[in-house]
Amino acid sequence: GQNIDQPTEMTATEGAIVQINCTYQTSGFNGLFWYQQHAGEAPTFLSYNVLDGLEEKGRFSSFLSRSKGYSYLLLKELQMKDSASYLCAALPSGGYNKLIFGAGTRLAVHP
Amino acid sequence: DVKVTQSSRYLVKRTGEKVFLECVQDMDHENMFWYRQDPGLGLRLIYFSYDVKMKEKGDIPEGYSVSREKKERFSLILESASTNQTSMYLCASLEGAVNYGYTFGSGTRLTVV
Repeated sequence: GQNIDQPTEMTATEGAIVQINCTYQTSGFNGLFWYQQHAGEAPTFLSYNVLDGLEEKGRFSSFLSRSKGYSYLLLKELQMKDSASYLCAALPSGGYNKLIFGAGTRLAVHP
Repeated sequence: DVKVTQSSRYLVKRTGEKVFLECVQDMDHENMFWYRQDPGLGLRLIYFSYDVKMKEKGDIPEGYSVSREKKERFSLILESASTNQTSMYLCASLEGAVNYGYTFGSGTRLTVV
C-alpha cells in the first residue's frame, strides 16, 4: 500500500534547530513535498525534492534519500511564527499528480 | 500569485441536506482536487479533475460527487450530509509543472448536525 509516516508532535526552543523526519512508501515515486500549515489556515508550499540530496531555502532545508524512502525538513534559527503543522506529501507515479499526505507534525516553538 | 477561493469558511448543515462546496481558481489550472482533513488522519483525497467535465474518484469518494462545468470552478457535492462528513474541506489546484506544488484554498469547516 501507500503510506507516509511522520511524528505527531515536536517541541523546540526559539533560536534552535529542529529536524522533522518523514518516511514514505508509494507505488512509484515522482517527488516529495513539504507544506506548512498554521492553525485554521490553508497549507502553503515549502519545498519539493525529486533527486537525492539537500535543498536549501533560507532558514528551511529539505533532504531526500530515494533509496531509503526518507526525507527530512530542517528548520534553523527557529522563530515563534514557525509554530505550525508541517505536512509531508509524496507524489506516486501513474499520472494525475495526486499527492499522498502524511498526518502532519505539529511543531510548538517555545521562548 | 495564484488564488484559490473557497466560497465559505464555516458552514453548519443538517443531516440529510444536500451541500455544495464551491472552489474557484484564477490561473487557468487544469488539475483541481478536493481533500478533507481530519485530526490524526491528514489530508485524504475525495475527488479530482484534470480537465473540464473530467473527474476521477480519489481514496474516499463515498457520499460525495463533483462537478466541473468550467475550468476555473470545481464543486464538491454532499448528496445527503451525514455527521461523519463533519470535517475541514480543502480545495487545491495545480499548474502543469508539478514542482510548484499545489495551491490550496483557505478551507471550509463543515459541521453537520
